[in-house]
Amino acid sequence: GESVGLHLPTLSVQEGDNSIINCAYSNSASDYFIWYKQESGKGPQFIIDIRSNMDKRQGQRVTVLLNKTVKHLSLQIAATQPGDSAVYFCAENIDSGGGADGLTFGKGTHLIIQP
Amino acid sequence: DTEVTQTPKHLVMGMTNKKSLKCEQHMGHRAMYWYKQKAKKPPELMFVYSYEKLSINESVPSRFSPECPNSSLLNLHLHALQPEDSALYLCASSHPGLAGAGTQYFGPGTRLLVL
Repeated sequence: GESVGLHLPTLSVQEGDNSIINCAYSNSASDYFIWYKQESGKGPQFIIDIRSNMDKRQGQRVTVLLNKTVKHLSLQIAATQPGDSAVYFCAENIDSGGGADGLTFGKGTHLIIQP
Repeated sequence: DTEVTQTPKHLVMGMTNKKSLKCEQHMGHRAMYWYKQKAKKPPELMFVYSYEKLSINESVPSRFSPECPNSSLLNLHLHALQPEDSALYLCASSHPGLAGAGTQYFGPGTRLLVL
């Protein structure tokens, strides 16, 4: 089965509110996590990443939180805008020492912004 | 510049055709990836190239044949595909060998339809 998953397939929020998208992972060896945004007809776009030696990382309007104890990852988007409408994927990577490893993606959450 | 380009954007082919998908990046990345994404599903890893050598093949059928002619180019040769191979094919690139893993940047994908 998948080692990375999401709790909700769809999240609807009001424009201007904060959004929180959650992700659970099962592989405790995962050491690098990424959030991607995918708009319709486009490839995944990097949003923010976090390594396993950190608990929190902030970007512009986005924050990623990592709780290794319960294997949980979340993406917080502040002051959600219409342009934030997309499918959001969490992804994990296990450093095998080989230098280049593929990503395992979660199922994705479709974020819908209500006007 | 974090651009990965892919051609063609769309491709329709019959089950007896031979076609190729192309991917290019000029970020100096030495790891390149092919992913397959079915509708409403997350991307799934197919192949990983590290320093122009195939390092990971996720048990992909031989009707998909990857090629990495140089550090900037990645091809995916297609032959005798099945209708269930219809999907969005995504290329990504990253720096291999960074502590942990390098961020993977994705292209827009090639939408393939097999008739």
